[in-house]
Amino acid sequence: DADVTQTPRNRITKTGKRIMLECSQTKGHDRMYWYRQDPGLGLRLIYYSFDVKDINKGEISDGYSVSRQAQAKFSLSLESAIPNQTALYFCATSDPGGGNYGYTFGSGTRLTVV
Amino acid sequence: GQQVMQIPQYQHVQEGEDFTTYCNSSTTLSNIQWYKQRPGGHPVFLIQLVKSGEVKKQKRLTFQFGEAKKNSSLHITATQTTDVGTYFCAEPLIQGAQKLVFGQGTRLTINP
Repeated sequence: DADVTQTPRNRITKTGKRIMLECSQTKGHDRMYWYRQDPGLGLRLIYYSFDVKDINKGEISDGYSVSRQAQAKFSLSLESAIPNQTALYFCATSDPGGGNYGYTFGSGTRLTVV
Repeated sequence: GQQVMQIPQYQHVQEGEDFTTYCNSSTTLSNIQWYKQRPGGHPVFLIQLVKSGEVKKQKRLTFQFGEAKKNSSLHITATQTTDVGTYFCAEPLIQGAQKLVFGQGTRLTINP
């Protein structure tokens, strides 16, 4: 099983619909992140959480919200989807303890808003 | 906002040729990370550089951190088809923090 699991893998939704992307991890990491990837723009940070009670906005949080239901679960919601939110979304975790700062990414959710 | 400039955006090489991608930051960095994303895949952490002038090697990959800690490079010697993918550098959003800003990536394609 993957360390970081994202569901769904692919989703097509209509403009104005609410949609939730889910992320769960088995690494026991406190820190979790949501990024979106668009061609030529790299990965941009949407929201991040350093523990269950900590939620922070990233570079591009407008139009998104998150929920940290447990240490292992971090979900991303689009309250009213719009076409320019069509992108590849990645969840990631990290644990800087011991000096290893690398992120572990999930396999991604490809979202299309029509 | 904070920007990480990564060049080139694309690079096509013949198998066996070398490849280099560069990252430049507007600020002095506490560290820099490198990731590889295979086509259709997700980013995978390769390495973190912390010290000024640091050089690290992973088989045919050589990573360098500039003396001023404002730039970094990834060099691949004698590319193989397994090296195909997009290579990203990433720097902390805030000095010392663990929120990363990613460069735009360099997409490497290889002619076998």
